[in-house]
Amino acid sequence: DQQVKQNSPSLSVQEGRISILNCDYTNSMFDYFLWYKKYPAEGPTFLISISSIKDKNEDGRFTVFLNKSAKHLSLHIVPSQPGDSAVYFCAAGDQTGANNLFFGTGTRLTVIP
Amino acid sequence: NAGVTQTPKFRVLKTGQSMTLLCAQDMNHEYMYWYRQDPGMGLRLIHYSVGEGTTAKGEVPDGYNVSRLKKQNFLLGLESAAPSQTSVYFCASRVSGRYYNEQFFGPGTRLTVL
Repeated sequence: DQQVKQNSPSLSVQEGRISILNCDYTNSMFDYFLWYKKYPAEGPTFLISISSIKDKNEDGRFTVFLNKSAKHLSLHIVPSQPGDSAVYFCAAGDQTGANNLFFGTGTRLTVIP
Repeated sequence: NAGVTQTPKFRVLKTGQSMTLLCAQDMNHEYMYWYRQDPGMGLRLIHYSVGEGTTAKGEVPDGYNVSRLKKQNFLLGLESAAPSQTSVYFCASRVSGRYYNEQFFGPGTRLTVL
C-alpha cells in the first residue's frame, strides 16, 4: 500500500512560470519530508526538505509547503527553467528505526522554453 | 570524491542465473540502502544496512540477499533471477545522526531478466 502518493505522473509548464508539484501521504507518523530530482540515467539528487514542525521551507527558486492536517505537501518552483525538466520524487520518513524513506511514484516535469 | 558508485551499469540475465551488484561509497557513511525503481511504483527499499556487518530487510526483500563486509561496500545478490526482478537498481548512502536523512544515490544499474 503506497504511503506516499504523487497523483500527477506528468506536468508541463512554460519557462518563467510557476511549477507546482503535489504529494499526499497517509502515515501520520511521518515527521520529515524530502524532494528529490532525477535526470535520465542518473540517480536521484536531494533538492529540499521540510520538518513537520514547519509549514514552509524555501531555498532559492524552490519552496516546499506542508499541510499536516491535510497530509499534503507541495513543491513550488519559481521561475521554472528548462533545466528543471526532470522527474521529481517526494519522500517521507520518521525518526524511528533506521529512518528509512518512503518514496512517491514521481512526477515528470517538462519546462517548455 | 566519487560519491556513490555502482557496478555494473547494465546487465542482461537469463532466468535462473545469479549475479551480484556492487555499491561503493567514499564518504564514510554508516548507512547504505538498495532500492529498485519500477514504472508507476517509485523507489522501493529492498535491504539496508546501518553499519559494517549489519543488514536488514526493507519493503521488498524477497529474492535478494545483501552483505556489508566493509563499511564502504554494500553488495546486492540475486541467487536465481526472475523476470519480475527486471528493474533499475539504485544504491544510496547517508551519514548517521542527521535529522533530515538526506541520502546520496548512485547512478543506477539497469537489469533485464529474460
